[in-house]
Amino acid sequence: QVQLVESGGGLVKPEGSLRLSCAASGFTFSDYYMSWIRQAPGKGLEWVSYISSSGSTIYYADSVKGRFTISRDNAKNSLYLQMNSLRAEDTAVYSCARIVSGWDYYFDYWGQGTLVTVSS
Amino acid sequence: QSALTQPRSVSGSPGQSVTISCTGTSSDVGGYNYVSWYQQHPGKAPKLMIYDVSKRPSGVPDRFSGSKSGNTASLTISGLQAEDEADYYCCSYAGIFLFGGGTKLTVL
Repeated sequence: QVQLVESGGGLVKPEGSLRLSCAASGFTFSDYYMSWIRQAPGKGLEWVSYISSSGSTIYYADSVKGRFTISRDNAKNSLYLQMNSLRAEDTAVYSCARIVSGWDYYFDYWGQGTLVTVSS
Repeated sequence: QSALTQPRSVSGSPGQSVTISCTGTSSDVGGYNYVSWYQQHPGKAPKLMIYDVSKRPSGVPDRFSGSKSGNTASLTISGLQAEDEADYYCCSYAGIFLFGGGTKLTVL
């Protein structure tokens, strides 16, 4: 069965950096676009970034552009999010999600997420 | 990149029907049939309920249906059940993804 397990969250000071990982299993990782989505405490879902199956196409939300970098290692079935210049407003649970793409575009599987807290 | 607009809350009694709206623009909801809906119970990961405006994944009850008119998509839940109480989010794809602010459904 499809499994997505995030790791790497924690407490970081403003302007600090953190690298999140998402380990995928149960499907051919290299066939799928992948995404990061975050949810601030008590708030709604916010799309952060997505990457194509080969890694050649990448998009970011305006709120993280220039500060976050998404990447993937298909040999390791892993997705990453490098987060730099972190701000208090980046505090959220970060989840990875598999994207069905091509004729459709939606998220069919989600991980449970990893909490990132930005605070001094 | 503005969020799609959803009502903050809706409610209904068991057995009734409720509709949640999701309003965007002609550049997102109105321009493409890539609207999806997600159900999220507290502390849980979101679950896909509707994709491509009106298609249901296998396993989702046919009480859940989706539609779109112009720049507004809608999720209708008929025959409300207690377990339907959750937060619901719409999402539109137009090169990037946009979520709605979420709607809390209360089953009275």
